Amino acid sequence: EVQLVESGGGLVQPGESLRLSCVGSEFTYRVYWMSWVRQAPGKGLEWVATIKQDGNEKQYVDSVKGRFTISRDNAKNSLSLQMNSLRAEDTAVYYCARARWGLVASQFSWYFDLWGRGTLVTVSS
Amino acid sequence: EIVLTQSPGTLSLSPGDRATLSCRASQSVSSSYLAWYQQKPGQAPRLLIYGAISRATGIPDRFSGSESGTDFTLSISRLEPEDFAVYYCQQYGSSPTFGGGTKVEIK
Repeated sequence: EVQLVESGGGLVQPGESLRLSCVGSEFTYRVYWMSWVRQAPGKGLEWVATIKQDGNEKQYVDSVKGRFTISRDNAKNSLSLQMNSLRAEDTAVYYCARARWGLVASQFSWYFDLWGRGTLVTVSS
Repeated sequence: EIVLTQSPGTLSLSPGDRATLSCRASQSVSSSYLAWYQQKPGQAPRLLIYGAISRATGIPDRFSGSESGTDFTLSISRLEPEDFAVYYCQQYGSSPTFGGGTKVEIK
């Protein structure tokens, strides 16, 4: 079955760090951009970060720049999100998603055609 | 940043009814780069439509998308019981942003 499975969520205090992981299966992982999208409890969706197939290009939403780092290991079909200096407003379900690109004026953007079930991150003292 | 405004917030309909969901962009969305997703409680979103009008793999043809300028519409021709859910639009003509969602509930 084509799927993405996340892990690594949990309860942390403000200022602490957490690392999320995602593993893809039954598709050619290395040819796809990959992303993280989050959803705060009872709220809508927010794109967080995207990484290119070879890992050499990364994009982030402004609110996480300098705190979060996306990375991938194509040999293990894995995607990671290192989250540092966590804040209460980072509390959300974090989804791993396969990204399909669009190109406008040499800038990439993405929609998401395959999603994992998500992992909950709670930042609270 | 392109802001997407979805309306109505909630749509109360019966099975068999036609549903019309609106998504308005704050500025032009390049190349019709707009997607629609369905999300049921406790589940991940599912891609329905991309490129404003193209159905994703496996999506029934009762779902259709349309565009008029900065206004995008998701239509569900005849609601099935499994279609009652929250629907989100998302633009990818610039850094990705999502609308706030429309809940389609059983009347």
